[in-house]
Amino acid sequence: GENVEQHPSTLSVQEGDSAVIKCTYSDSASNYFPWYKQELGKGPQLIIDIRSNVGEKKDQRIAVTLNKTAKHFSLHITETQPEDSAVYFCAASKGGGFKTIFGAGTRLFVKA
Amino acid sequence: GAGVSQSPRYKVAKRGQDVALRCDPISGHVSLFWYQQALGQGPEFLTYFQNEAQLDKSGLPSDRFFAERPEGSVSTLKIQRTQQEDSAVYLCASSLRVTGGETQYFGPGTRLLVL
Repeated sequence: GENVEQHPSTLSVQEGDSAVIKCTYSDSASNYFPWYKQELGKGPQLIIDIRSNVGEKKDQRIAVTLNKTAKHFSLHITETQPEDSAVYFCAASKGGGFKTIFGAGTRLFVKA
Repeated sequence: GAGVSQSPRYKVAKRGQDVALRCDPISGHVSLFWYQQALGQGPEFLTYFQNEAQLDKSGLPSDRFFAERPEGSVSTLKIQRTQQEDSAVYLCASSLRVTGGETQYFGPGTRLLVL
């Protein structure tokens, strides 16, 4: 069935370093790939998304890359700050109106 | 503006009790999703509504789970004869349109504990 795998499950970086989280998906019909940040006791919040007709997207310190051939996509956070500490989820769907499949999450710790 | 709200935020139920979880989506949002999130895991899809129509309920784990959205706005997820394995956070999300506006906005979730 549809599956999204996410690595690593835990990531610890020093403040100012970069963090990279990688995901793979199984359904080649997927065309929408959002990334969510979830803080303790809150619902996931969208931080960036990418559609299948684009290979890369950047928003300030956050960037996402997509390789449709390999069915890989990655989140890159540069100049990490302690407030970036949270759980990050990648996800894939076939667009609006279809279920979204989430990865298992990456717990990011940014040490001051 | 107001985001997605869910109530109650916490619910403790004895095994065998029925529970009802409420979701108030962002006004005007067409799509509404329910997810179940176990501790330390990602959200898992339960069901999807487009206005009042339930178009996908493939994620509901058993016939004890039932969801409705009768007027195309507020939605209720009902779990009958709760079991300990139903303990989880139940998340609701809404999005503005089916195409071209599929960003999902999540509520804070309802944490259900079944004893």
